[in-house]
Amino acid sequence: LAKTTQPISMDSYEGQEVNITCSHNNIATNDYITWYQQFPSQGPRFIIQGYKTKVTNEVASLFIPADRKSSTLSLPRVSLSDTAVYYCLVGEDTGRRALTFGSGTRLQVQP
Amino acid sequence: EAQVTQNPRYLITVTGKKLTVTCSQNMNHEYMSWYRQDPGLGLRQIYYSMNVEVTDKGDVPEGYKVSRKEKRNFPLILESPSPNQTSLYFCASSWRGRGHTNEKLFFGSGTQLSVL
Repeated sequence: LAKTTQPISMDSYEGQEVNITCSHNNIATNDYITWYQQFPSQGPRFIIQGYKTKVTNEVASLFIPADRKSSTLSLPRVSLSDTAVYYCLVGEDTGRRALTFGSGTRLQVQP
Repeated sequence: EAQVTQNPRYLITVTGKKLTVTCSQNMNHEYMSWYRQDPGLGLRQIYYSMNVEVTDKGDVPEGYKVSRKEKRNFPLILESPSPNQTSLYFCASSWRGRGHTNEKLFFGSGTQLSVL
């Protein structure tokens, strides 16, 4: 099972770019990296997913180095509504399908 | 609208009184799972199901039961709830099962359970 490590919290200001890094040293060959966003009292919501290099969608970018032992979620020009907890999740391909979330990174965006 | 529906949203009960939290998805997903969320501990998986009649334990299964008799439903059962099961519970589903790791999980809105 690929364990993930993220910073507990981060602070930013509106309009800035935010980069949240997740460490996953034991990532398996077939694992994908997925990021979720969670607002208080709501279920997590899918943001972005990638396997290697760079992935970009309308919400964020995901950077994955060649060794895949870490990944960085990049949120361009954050707003107050981006204040949330962000989880990095690494999929497991053993057939067991247990998916473990870490404690996540609490992002606080200030005006 | 594609969604995962949990009920109830809030539940207060007493120790030992059996309860069921329902979860239903309308996306024909094969994979369903239950998580509990406690302050400082993130999301911990309780049970998951790869398909109908196929369930398995997650990281914290003690004190919980599940069943998967139909593809769309995955109820969480607490036979004898205890105060340490007070938590926020989430049901999730995805359409990929065995052999796929790039699934996208869809979560329900959560059930806040308090056991007195």
